[in-house]
Order: sequence, then structure tokens, then C-alpha cells
Amino acid sequence: DAGVIQSPRHEVTEMGQEVTLRCKPISGHDYLFWYRQTMMRGLELLIYFNNNVPIDDSGMPEDRFSAKMPNASFSTLKIQPSEPRDSAVYFCASSPGTSGGNEQFFGPGTRLTVL
Amino acid sequence: AQTVTQSQPEMSVQEAETVTLSCTYDTSESDYYLFWYKQPPSRQMILVIRQEAYKQQNATENRFSVNFQKAAKSFSLKISDSQLGDAAMYFCAYRGNNAGNMLTFGGGTRLMVKP
Repeated sequence: DAGVIQSPRHEVTEMGQEVTLRCKPISGHDYLFWYRQTMMRGLELLIYFNNNVPIDDSGMPEDRFSAKMPNASFSTLKIQPSEPRDSAVYFCASSPGTSGGNEQFFGPGTRLTVL
Repeated sequence: AQTVTQSQPEMSVQEAETVTLSCTYDTSESDYYLFWYKQPPSRQMILVIRQEAYKQQNATENRFSVNFQKAAKSFSLKISDSQLGDAAMYFCAYRGNNAGNMLTFGGGTRLMVKP
């Protein structure tokens, strides 16, 4: 398996533009997570899905952020409109079911810069 | 809510020596999982080691081992025979048994390895 795939790896945009980050989880994994990493706040969980259904979106910073998972093999995180403070590395991770101490497998991240 | 604290923002170790990274957590649960993730400069998050709270035996993975003190809510990572490739950010993470695979991360410790 190729692991968790994220695209793009780098994104530079201007304030006010819409940004869409993409994630393909590992096949067969039931859980998908979106994280944001910044120097100031560390790793923050934004939202997670179980079987394509959003379970907890309490980490989504504000209404400008939205996430979807239309099927088991694809998820998007959208920021509209983007602001400079959204600049961060965004990680997607997937995990199999809840039995045992199942680890989360992380993608390589998308480095977002909002000018 | 669970919290994870890594009190050492930075640590350094001489190549071939041993270093211990600290992690404490706060929880009211009795059954949970603890993880150490490594994030090298490539940004990829890599699982180093995991510990099930119900197991008294400390987990070991080659040169990596943990000292799990459940009563003290402490979960330190020991790296033996440190190598240059061990230089990275290390994150301690907690997962409750009923948390839907959600991870709570500590703030991270940057490990530098001196040749």
C-alpha cells in the first residue's frame, strides 16, 4: 500500500482565496483524521470521520473551514476564504477499527502558506 | 479532557549515548493507549512505540523502550545507542479506549544528536 496520500504537498495562496486540501486514506481504514500543526499551537485535531461520517468537528477553528468525505477513499479540507493565520502544515491520518491500540498512519502533510 | 505534557522542549545527546524523553498525562480513564511518534525534518509522522495501559510490562522496540508508570501517569521514552538519524521532534500521544481512535498530542521535544 502507498500509505496515506495528500495533495498538494505545498500550497501558496493569497488571502481571501479558497484552498482545498486532499487526502486519500489507506484502503480498508475506517477512520480519517485532519490535523493542523503550527509552532504556536502544536498538533491540533480539526475533525475526524468514521466510515465517511464526521464524528467530531469541535477542533475546526471557524466556519471558514469545512471537511467532507464523500467516499471511503477520499476526503477534502477546504478553507474559504483563507487568511494568513491559516498558514500551517495540515496532516491527514487514517486508522483501522478501534480494536487494540491501532496507530494512526499519517500522510506527508500539506504545507500551506497564505500571503 | 485528557492532556499530555512534554516538559522538555529540547534535548541533546551524544551519539551512542542514551537519552530519556519525558511525558506525563492526565486522565480519569483506566484503559487507554500511549504512543510515541517521531517527526524528522521530512515532516513525516512515524510511530516509534506504543503501550497498552493494561499491560504492566514496558514496551520495547529495538533501541527504543518506555518507562510506563501508570500511577504516576508518566510515559517516558528511552533511546539507547543514539544515532544521528534519531534527531527529530518526538511527540507523546494519548488515546482513550472510547475515544474513537482520537489522539491527544503533547507539545513535542526536539532531540538533537551530536556526532
